[in-house]
Amino acid sequence: NFMLTQPHSVSESPGKTVTVSCTRSSGSIASNYVQWYQQRPGRSPTTVIYENNQRPSGVPDRFSGSIDSSSNSASLTISGLKTEDEADYYCQSYDNSNPVVFGGGTKLTVL
Amino acid sequence: EEQFVESGGGLVQPGGSLRLSCVASGFTFRSYWMTWVRQAPGKGLEWVANIKQDGNEIYYVDSVKGRFTISRDNAKRSLYLQMNSLRAEDTAVYYCARWRLGDYYYHMDVWGKGTTVTVSS
Repeated sequence: NFMLTQPHSVSESPGKTVTVSCTRSSGSIASNYVQWYQQRPGRSPTTVIYENNQRPSGVPDRFSGSIDSSSNSASLTISGLKTEDEADYYCQSYDNSNPVVFGGGTKLTVL
Repeated sequence: EEQFVESGGGLVQPGGSLRLSCVASGFTFRSYWMTWVRQAPGKGLEWVANIKQDGNEIYYVDSVKGRFTISRDNAKRSLYLQMNSLRAEDTAVYYCARWRLGDYYYHMDVWGKGTTVTVSS
């Protein structure tokens, strides 16, 4: 089984840009699509990125996703940070044996 | 509005059983894969199980295989999770979610509010 490793926490100021990484332990990051979920405190998760870089309707274009084969990682980038972006963010991918694997989550603080 | 309402959570002793339910509204339930995801207190998300539209294809995380059973009743727009031989480590908020096919693969696009399961003596 593979793992997805995320930093425990990141912080940045309002208006700035932050990037959350998600590194796959084995198997190619490019072989299986990556999703990103946002979970605000006390709320259910919501999708902010699916299939590496697709935004669901209603998600602002301040949110973008990408993958980097050289580091075997995916990234979620949030630009023009707002206080409402403060949340936990989870990456998620899969392989032939595991239909859903979540990363451990990253707590984003906007201070 | 597309939404789910989960129920069935509660306090149960180790070794006991619970049955979680999730009722869907606002969309054609029978057209979608469904999933259960849990979140232990203060921890991250953990996928539990998936079930295909007709119930004929099912997947579980290794830690619940043989103890949990996912099922659905499309006529009742309902998803279920039968949990047996419960352990302390099953304590979590359990979310049901719709597992929707994008252009190439699936993602969870509608989530319930969750129901809390506490396993303790």
